[in-house]
Amino acid sequence: EPEVTQTPSHQVTQMGQEVILRCVPISNHLYFYWYRQILGQKVEFLVSFYNNEISEKSEIFDDQFSVERPDGSNFTLKIRSTKLEDSAMYFCANRLRLATDTQYFGPGTRLTVL
Amino acid sequence: LAKTTQPISMDSYEGQEVNITCSHNNIATNDYITWYQQFPSQGPRFIIQGYKTKVTNEVASLFIPADRKSSTLSLPRVSLSDTAVYYCLVATYSGGYQKVTFGTGTKLQVIP
Repeated sequence: EPEVTQTPSHQVTQMGQEVILRCVPISNHLYFYWYRQILGQKVEFLVSFYNNEISEKSEIFDDQFSVERPDGSNFTLKIRSTKLEDSAMYFCANRLRLATDTQYFGPGTRLTVL
Repeated sequence: LAKTTQPISMDSYEGQEVNITCSHNNIATNDYITWYQQFPSQGPRFIIQGYKTKVTNEVASLFIPADRKSSTLSLPRVSLSDTAVYYCLVATYSGGYQKVTFGTGTKLQVIP
């Protein structure tokens, strides 16, 4: 069964540094998402992406965040200047085509900001 | 988006059937009900999705009454490896877009 992969599995960075989290979605999936989960809390929606454009974003997804598909396959989340409160698990997810298709989640990247 | 309410935690012995009920009073006509499982430090894993009545797959059943204001996830004969957090989500569709909102989930502890 195809899987979503994410790299790195764990990223440690200093406050103020830029980080890029990478996701390789399932082939042929057209809709992409990023979520985050602060330790012990619920999964929170960040952004959805379709046809090389952001389709929706939450209030968490401020100017410090950006997403792109640099090569048509990988899907990245960039945090320009990390803050302590950005420490969390970040999950990417993708969905095939139909509105009712399931979102498949990756294993996550644990981001630790020191 | 319809808000979901489910028990914070449940305990069950190995081999028992577990039923987790979720309420979603404000569910809209086009919304689907989806359940995910999450183990610590892992991504949510899709279990089952339904619109109404009963849906069954190889791991679970989903019961949805006619008014669709609640749903029940049924896990037959749980094992220790089913210890996880289970999320009930209402997926909202608009055009081709889908949005889901995670609640706090139900932490299921399976006891030997």
